[in-house]
Amino acid sequence: QVHLVESGGGLVKRGGSLRLSCAASRFTFSNYYMSWIRQAPGKGLEWVSYIGGSGTTIDYAKSVKGRFTISRDNPKNSLYLQMTSLRVEDTAVYYCARARAGVSDAFDLWGQGTMVTVSS
Amino acid sequence: DIQLTQSPSFLSASVGDRVTITCRASQAISSSLAWYQQKPGRAPKLLIYTTSTLQSGVPSRFSGSGSGTEFTLTVNSLQPEDFATYYCQQPHSFQYAFGQGTKLEIK
Repeated sequence: QVHLVESGGGLVKRGGSLRLSCAASRFTFSNYYMSWIRQAPGKGLEWVSYIGGSGTTIDYAKSVKGRFTISRDNPKNSLYLQMTSLRVEDTAVYYCARARAGVSDAFDLWGQGTMVTVSS
Repeated sequence: DIQLTQSPSFLSASVGDRVTITCRASQAISSSLAWYQQKPGRAPKLLIYTTSTLQSGVPSRFSGSGSGTEFTLTVNSLQPEDFATYYCQQPHSFQYAFGQGTKLEIK
């Protein structure tokens, strides 16, 4: 069964850094745009970043641009999110998600999420 | 940036009811609107994409429609497992936006 598994979340102090990973299995990872999407406690969903299949097409939400870096390692079927200069408002569950059929499409596969808590 | 506004934000209904959730965009968007269902402590689940196409495995009581700036999700004959939070989402102009969510509760 296809799935995504995130890891790397935890507790970090304001200004600190954290690297999230997302392991993909049972599908051709390199064929898909992948995104990170987050959800603050009790709040809605916020798209964070996406990366194209080859890794050359990348974009970020304004709230994280310049602080977060998305990358992927296709031979390892892995997606990453390097987060620096973390703020309290970055506290959220971070999900990796697969775009169904291209950049302008819905997310048809989600991981279970990893919690990031930024303390002041 | 495009904003999506869902209404209502909270909805109380009974098993067997038909409910409709509306998603309004701040400007006209393509037909790439999607709908997700999320239950507490779980990842969102894709229900509908390209406005009206049902994702594989999703019951046919779910349907979507709309165009331009107004889109709707309808659930016919609510089942106990349908009580959850629903989000609309659009991937327009290479920036994704989600609605704020609609929490569907049991009356």
